[in-house]
Amino acid sequence: RKEVEQDPGPFNVPEGATVAFNCTYSNSASQSFFWYRQDCRKEPKLLMSVYSSGNEDGRFTAQLNRASQYISLLIRDSKLSDSATYLCAVGLRSSASKIIFGSGTRLSIRP
Amino acid sequence: NAGVTQTPKFQVLKTGQSMTLQCAQDMNHNSMYWYRQDPGMGLRLIYYSASEGTTDKGEVPNGYNVSRLNKREFSLRLESAAPSQTSVYFCASSRGQGGDQPQHFGDGTRLSIL
Repeated sequence: RKEVEQDPGPFNVPEGATVAFNCTYSNSASQSFFWYRQDCRKEPKLLMSVYSSGNEDGRFTAQLNRASQYISLLIRDSKLSDSATYLCAVGLRSSASKIIFGSGTRLSIRP
Repeated sequence: NAGVTQTPKFQVLKTGQSMTLQCAQDMNHNSMYWYRQDPGMGLRLIYYSASEGTTDKGEVPNGYNVSRLNKREFSLRLESAAPSQTSVYFCASSRGQGGDQPQHFGDGTRLSIL
């Protein structure tokens, strides 16, 4: 089993829809969680950190479920510009600087 | 506000040639990383440097060497390039030494080995 797993998609949704995807992690000691966005042929860019209490940034909401060992990303009122690959990343504070990335979920927003 | 800068952006090599990928960050970050990204494989850690003067192997270190030249710079060297090393290479940096700090990426080097 991979340490961090994501559904590769693609998720193909109409503009204005709400879409959510999950990312599961295998190490119960994981303590830091992030969502990155990667556009085609570009570098990953930090979208948001995921806190225990959940957090929201505009149309984006991230949640952490420690009991079931997954994080989620919800995008409301999706825009064409949200089309990208979304990578989750999971880290251990005790490890020497390593964060494990998922392979990404591809999202395509259609007009 | 450069962030993480990688050079070159593109490179084509012949099998057996050597080259060094350069990376520099201007955010005063302690930790730096080299990843490769292949279709369907996600980001795979090659080497990382938790702090100036230290380097450690990641998931896929074979065929690569690194040098943490100073706090700002972290280079990746391919001594004898192989077609299997055709990939997109990303350098990243983070503020802290623990796995709880988000990483910031350069815009990548697209490397083709013929």
